[in-house]
Amino acid sequence: QKEVEQNSGPLSVPEGAIASLNCTYSDRVSQSFFWYRQYSGKSPELIMSIYSNGDKEDGRFTAQLNKASQYVSLLIRDSQPSDSATYLCAVTADDYKLSFGAGTTVTVRA
Amino acid sequence: DTAVSQTPKYLVTQMGNDKSIKCEQNLGHDTMYWYKQDSKKFLKIMFSYNNKELIINETVPNRFSPKSPDKAHLNLHINSLELGDSAVYFCASSQDLAGEWSSYNEQFFGPGTRLTVL
Repeated sequence: QKEVEQNSGPLSVPEGAIASLNCTYSDRVSQSFFWYRQYSGKSPELIMSIYSNGDKEDGRFTAQLNKASQYVSLLIRDSQPSDSATYLCAVTADDYKLSFGAGTTVTVRA
Repeated sequence: DTAVSQTPKYLVTQMGNDKSIKCEQNLGHDTMYWYKQDSKKFLKIMFSYNNKELIINETVPNRFSPKSPDKAHLNLHINSLELGDSAVYFCASSQDLAGEWSSYNEQFFGPGTRLTVL
């Protein structure tokens, strides 16, 4: 059973700052890693996926994966009020199951 | 066009009733999933179907029965509803099974069905 832990929130950052979200996972054979964004009352929306060690950048988002440390992170640069949401880390292995963390709620202060 | 759709969006019912939630995806994906998100917002997988075949069946009461008439549809039927079944149920789909080292396993979620059992 994979366990996925996220840094407890809520995380409050000023507009324009960098929001840093962390996630650790327990299963060493985990293969695929995802970050989802969920606005209140809405469904999870995939914003980043990462499969190999290192950094992956997409616009203002950067995902970082370190399989040796079983750690994946998400950086949100130039945070905007529209980034205020709950961010879910998700991990999967060859058991076909996507395991989610409890989420970190981010609030961007204008 | 809505990629993954669910009906109904809201469902309010009495304890002991039987209800169904329907899900359809128009993405041409082979795999579909049901998730439950409880009041603490924790998202947990319930079932997964790949090409109409049940792949994942988590520890879910057998009052919950999924059914996939074809690759584009995955329905969830719940018998004898209990108070603890109140949650938001999300359907999702991916091109292929999760677990493969591929973007094919990226999952896309429907809008959710908020079930309230009174």
